[in-house]
Amino acid sequence: GQNIDQPTEMTATEGAIVQINCTYQTSGFNGLFWYQQHAGEAPTFLSYNVLDGLEEKGRFSSFLSRSKGYSYLLLKELQMKDSASYLCAVSDSNYQLIWGAGTKLIIKP
Amino acid sequence: IAGITQAPTSQILAAGRRMTLRCTQDMRHNAMYWYRQDLGLGLRLIHYSNTAGTTGKGEVPDGYSVSRANTDDFPLTLASAVPSQTSVYFCASSDSGRGETDTQYFGPGTRLTVL
Repeated sequence: GQNIDQPTEMTATEGAIVQINCTYQTSGFNGLFWYQQHAGEAPTFLSYNVLDGLEEKGRFSSFLSRSKGYSYLLLKELQMKDSASYLCAVSDSNYQLIWGAGTKLIIKP
Repeated sequence: IAGITQAPTSQILAAGRRMTLRCTQDMRHNAMYWYRQDLGLGLRLIHYSNTAGTTGKGEVPDGYSVSRANTDDFPLTLASAVPSQTSVYFCASSDSGRGETDTQYFGPGTRLTVL
């Protein structure tokens, strides 16, 4: 079967750095997405990786290793507004997105 | 530009009743999707449409039906609601259709409770 694993919950301090990991086992791979979802709101797009390596976008970076079935989302200079759930999703061989359950990130002052 | 709108925002429904969740996008995207989101689970695809006039089944299609009469609208119907269909329902769209990975954009969701 297809599987996406992420930690359920993480806690970090305002101003610090946090890394959210995602491992996947899917039938085929056509890219990996990270979305942010604030409580009670819709998921919003953060990043997309299809090749190995690091993609940097402001305070957020996303890394992919296809050989290891592994990605991480790195958030720097954490702000209180970064408190949210972070969803990892993989595009499979049929170009359908397989979603992880999400990681709830709690930021403490 | 509104993006994607969904209606209603929330609904409490008696079991056995028929219900249609509405979804409209103004981005002229080819593909549209319906997901449900339950606590502790990832988003699960119910049905999708790669282009107007076509629909397909996702991971959890039982008890749901969809239609895609035009590019903008993609309603989801529960023919006879059951309590296990209590969930938050998200509609999404993407520019490309089948055969390509593309970013999906989500509507604000409908919170449905079936009693």
